[in-house]
Amino acid sequence: EDKVVQSPLSLVVHEGDTVTLNCSYEVTNFRSLLWYKQEKKAPTFLFMLTSSGIEKKSGRLSSILDKKELFSILNITATQTGDSAVYLCRLNFGNEKLTFGTGTRLTIIP
Amino acid sequence: DVKVTQSSRYLVKRTGEKVFLECVQDMDHENMFWYRQDPGLGLRLIYFSYDVKMKEKGDIPEGYSVSREKKERFSLILESASTNQTSMYLCASSPGIRGAFFGQGTRLTVV
Repeated sequence: EDKVVQSPLSLVVHEGDTVTLNCSYEVTNFRSLLWYKQEKKAPTFLFMLTSSGIEKKSGRLSSILDKKELFSILNITATQTGDSAVYLCRLNFGNEKLTFGTGTRLTIIP
Repeated sequence: DVKVTQSSRYLVKRTGEKVFLECVQDMDHENMFWYRQDPGLGLRLIYFSYDVKMKEKGDIPEGYSVSREKKERFSLILESASTNQTSMYLCASSPGIRGAFFGQGTRLTVV
């Protein structure tokens, strides 16, 4: 069974802090790794990573993939209360497989 | 002004019919999404697309397919409509981080 583990499971920080969320996996035959933010409704797509070592950045969020060490991180700087959500990573195998990570629940305290 | 336009507001189709729901956005967004919304179940992602001709299955893709031939247009297809596909369908587009802009919704009834 393909395994995608996110850590930490839950994280509570103060507004303004920087957080790093981790997504580790055990398989290598995937096309891309995707990050999502899920609030009360459906997940919102954040990043798609296909190449190792190339950072993707959007505002206060950034993400990078390390195919050698089999993990990806999602970084959020200067956190705001609106960043509170569940963050999910997912492997895309290019077929019907949907392999989501366990998720990290991030809570930002004002 | 940001605009996501869905082709129909209300639609009634018969069981077994092929149904096309069209969505057009004028913001040059790369990401487009199709959701369905049902009472008590919230918004559920059916499919999304992060580039032309690219598509990803969401949480409930069964019974649906999608087409993204041009950046501005994302179509949801019900190959053979069934009564359990009666729902409100919402299209959204997004530049990635700043949330999604939703269309006005299509209420589909399959009889």
